[in-house]
Amino acid sequence: DAGITQSPRHKVTETGTPVTLRCHQTENHRYMYWYRQDPGHGLRLIHYSYGVKDTDKGEVSDGYSVSRSKTEDFLLTLESATSSQTSVYFCAISDPKNEQFFGPGTRLTVL
Amino acid sequence: KNEVEQSPQNLTAQEGEFITINCSYSVGISALHWLQQHPGGGIVSLFMLSSGKKKHGRLIATINIQEKHSSLHITASHPRDSAVYICAVRSSGYGNKLVFGAGTILRVKS
Repeated sequence: DAGITQSPRHKVTETGTPVTLRCHQTENHRYMYWYRQDPGHGLRLIHYSYGVKDTDKGEVSDGYSVSRSKTEDFLLTLESATSSQTSVYFCAISDPKNEQFFGPGTRLTVL
Repeated sequence: KNEVEQSPQNLTAQEGEFITINCSYSVGISALHWLQQHPGGGIVSLFMLSSGKKKHGRLIATINIQEKHSSLHITASHPRDSAVYICAVRSSGYGNKLVFGAGTILRVKS
């Protein structure tokens, strides 16, 4: 298994609070991704990173920011959580052969 | 119209049956991925292919680039194959980004 972990695995928070999700990899891969998975929508890309301090927006980036100060860590921040951001969040990494490996997911509930 | 369409959305099969899940896409791609997600579980990559056919055990994936179509076949299906199967295409553009289908929910009954 690719060495990719997410923390926390579960979080319940209130509307308006900031939330940060962490993705950590031990593979030293360049590309990292944050997705959200919702019923009826499948997986959608929020943000991705192609190197330290190099990030770009995906299709559903509004309300989210990311940071990558080290190769191994990719942080996703909800500056002010809303109920529409209740979802399961997956981090993924892409190896040099472009195979993608997914983290275990974080279930976020915004009340 | 979604860039990646899967069919069927739901599929129930009897143990031992041959199963086919289809994926059609409308964009230029550099590769197509098939993923598996068990209920409450993580997402596992089954195949990545850009042409022809690949086989792992009872699973076979094919792709026809000209027709922009891929199929995932499961031979001799088993209840442990019950999962969501997701097709995703990697765009030809920058970023190695994937675009996902909505998934096919497969249930194999014993």
